[in-house]
Amino acid sequence: EAGVVQSPRYKIIEKKQPVAFWCNPISGHNTLYWYLQNLGQGPELLIRYENEEAVDDSQLPKDRFSAERLKGVDSTLKIQPAELGDSAVYLCASSLGARTGELFFGEGSRLTVL
Amino acid sequence: AQTVTQSQPEMSVQEAETVTLSCTYDTSESDYYLFWYKQPPSRQMILVIRQEAYKQQNATENRFSVNFQKAAKSFSLKISDSQLGDAAMYFCASGGADGLTFGKGTHLIIQP
Repeated sequence: EAGVVQSPRYKIIEKKQPVAFWCNPISGHNTLYWYLQNLGQGPELLIRYENEEAVDDSQLPKDRFSAERLKGVDSTLKIQPAELGDSAVYLCASSLGARTGELFFGEGSRLTVL
Repeated sequence: AQTVTQSQPEMSVQEAETVTLSCTYDTSESDYYLFWYKQPPSRQMILVIRQEAYKQQNATENRFSVNFQKAAKSFSLKISDSQLGDAAMYFCASGGADGLTFGKGTHLIIQP
């Protein structure tokens, strides 16, 4: 069974440039999460989807961050414009449902903003 | 809302010895899960062990076991017979209706 796939693995951009990350969850997983992980810290939730609906985006900085999950499968997370403080790893995870417990993570996308 | 606290930024253990990683949590939910995840340097988070809060029996997975103290809201991870491959960041997490909340992690070093 294929795991959660994320791309790109690494991205280096200049500040004020846009960037997008893509995530393909495990087949059949209705719940999809985007987490932000700063160096040496635990993941922090940015947004959670149940199928196509963003059910929790309270921690998403909406002035520059946006996300979508068209058709309830793949998801993209966009930052525009990027700032120096956005340098981090962006993790995507999926699960059968929020109450089923275990999350399955992708390898993450490491963003460096210069 | 949930909070998870890991008070040990770093732990070191000799190979083949036993180490315990600490975690405390706070949640307003009555139905929740607790997890320990491992994150090796490659960055992919891997589930180590899971505990349903309604179960009194402590979960075990081979060399990994937990000490779940529900009243104290404590959820520690014990690793027996530590191996070099156990070296990683370990994250405690609490999960409920809103997904998982993670602690800041404990960096586990295995001394050969």
